[in-house]
Amino acid sequence: RKEVEQDPGPFNVPEGATVAFNCTYSNSASQSFFWYRQDCRKEPKLLMSVYSSGNEDGRFTAQLNRASQYISLLIRDSKLSDSATYLCVVNISGQTGANNLFFGTGTRLTVIP
Amino acid sequence: GAVVSQHPSRVICKSGTSVKIECRSLDFQATTMFWYRQFPKQSLMLMATSNEGSKATYEQGVEKDKFLINHASLTLSTLTVTSAHPEDSSFYICSARDRVLTQYFGPGTRLLVL
Repeated sequence: RKEVEQDPGPFNVPEGATVAFNCTYSNSASQSFFWYRQDCRKEPKLLMSVYSSGNEDGRFTAQLNRASQYISLLIRDSKLSDSATYLCVVNISGQTGANNLFFGTGTRLTVIP
Repeated sequence: GAVVSQHPSRVICKSGTSVKIECRSLDFQATTMFWYRQFPKQSLMLMATSNEGSKATYEQGVEKDKFLINHASLTLSTLTVTSAHPEDSSFYICSARDRVLTQYFGPGTRLLVL
């Protein structure tokens, strides 16, 4: 079973729409959670961390449900510039020096004029 | 924010040649760097973890003799794809981890093997 699972989409939404992405993770020892954004042919860039209490950054809201091992990202008032692939990323504690970021396959979003 | 550079940004080579990719942390020291590979429409897949001054740790299925990693200093790790073949064509991305365990990604290197 994959450590992180996401619906690959694609999601095609009109400008101004609200869109939500979901993600589940399999390891209950996961410690921290992130949403990354990856534009075509570019490296992933951190969009926001996800906290248990939920957190908001402008038009973006992230939520975490530890009991269900579920993470979500909500984008309100979508802009054309939001078109990208959104990666759900989970940090699992490991030995010092061991990799601890696990990436979902990403959800592709296209915002249409 | 912290900056990680990669060089070259893209490379085209003939089958059978070796290609070296450099990853540098420009404004912080990184005891650990990671090398990922991403095929079209797929997620990032970790290839290996590079620790300064010691041998790299490779993920299952990644040939250590084909993908040579050298982490000679706290700011530089190199990945050499030896005897490259067309199936090695991919997007290679490095990341560097700082002392508070935050990972920063390089801009990636697009490799095309003809």
